[in-house]
Amino acid sequence: AQSVAQPEDQVNVAEGNPLTVKCTYSVSGNPYLFWYVQYPNRGLQFLLKYITGDNLVKGSYGFEAEFNKSQTSFHLKKPSALVSDSALYFCAVRDVTGGYNKLIFGAGTRLAVHP
Amino acid sequence: DTGVSQNPRHKITKRGQNVTFRCDPISEHNRLYWYRQTLGQGPEFLTYFQNEAQLEKSRLLSDRFSAERPKGSFSTLEIQRTEQGDSAMYLCASSLGDMGPYEQYFGPGTRLTVT
Repeated sequence: AQSVAQPEDQVNVAEGNPLTVKCTYSVSGNPYLFWYVQYPNRGLQFLLKYITGDNLVKGSYGFEAEFNKSQTSFHLKKPSALVSDSALYFCAVRDVTGGYNKLIFGAGTRLAVHP
Repeated sequence: DTGVSQNPRHKITKRGQNVTFRCDPISEHNRLYWYRQTLGQGPEFLTYFQNEAQLEKSRLLSDRFSAERPKGSFSTLEIQRTEQGDSAMYLCASSLGDMGPYEQYFGPGTRLTVT
C-alpha cells in the first residue's frame, strides 16, 4: 500500500535560517509526490510536486523540495525562513490503487518560525 | 474568486441529526474529491467523482454517508444520523483529468461539530 511518513511533529527554526521539513514515502511504481501547506482554519494550499525529471523541484513562496529515490525521501526546503511560513505542512503521494487519483497524506509537520 | 468553495464553513449539530455540505469545484475541473481531516491528522480520502459518476468510495464512508454530483458541477455530501465521531473538517478538492497536472486544489473546508 502507498504511504507517507513525516517523522517530525514540529520543526522550530529562527527567521532567516534555512528550514527542512522531512518526508519519506513507500509506493509501488513511480511516485507522484506533493507538498501542501495549511494555515489555521483554512484548506490546503498546493506548494509543489514531483512527477518526473529534475530531482530538485521549485514551488510557491520560495519553497523547493528534493526527491531522493534511493532514500525514498522528498524533503521540503527553504533557504531563508520567514515568520509567515509558520503553518502546518503535509506531504502526500498519489495513490492509483484501483485506477484512480486520490492523495495519501502524512500526519503533518507543524513549522514554527521564531523572530 | 475562481477557487474551490465550500458551504457552510461551520456546522454545529446535535447527535442524530442529518447534515448536508456543498462543494463548488473550479469550473473546468472534471474530478472532485471529498476528504475528512481530524485534529492532528492529515486528510483522509472519502470519495471521488469524475464528472457525475462516483467512481471510488473509501471504507471510511459508512452507509450513513452519501455523496452526489448530479450535473458534474457542484457536489453534496450528506451525513445521516450524525455521531460524535463524525466531528471533523470535511474538505473538498478538484483537479483536471487523466493527463495531469495531477495536483488537487482544496476548498476552505466545512468544520462539523456534533454535540
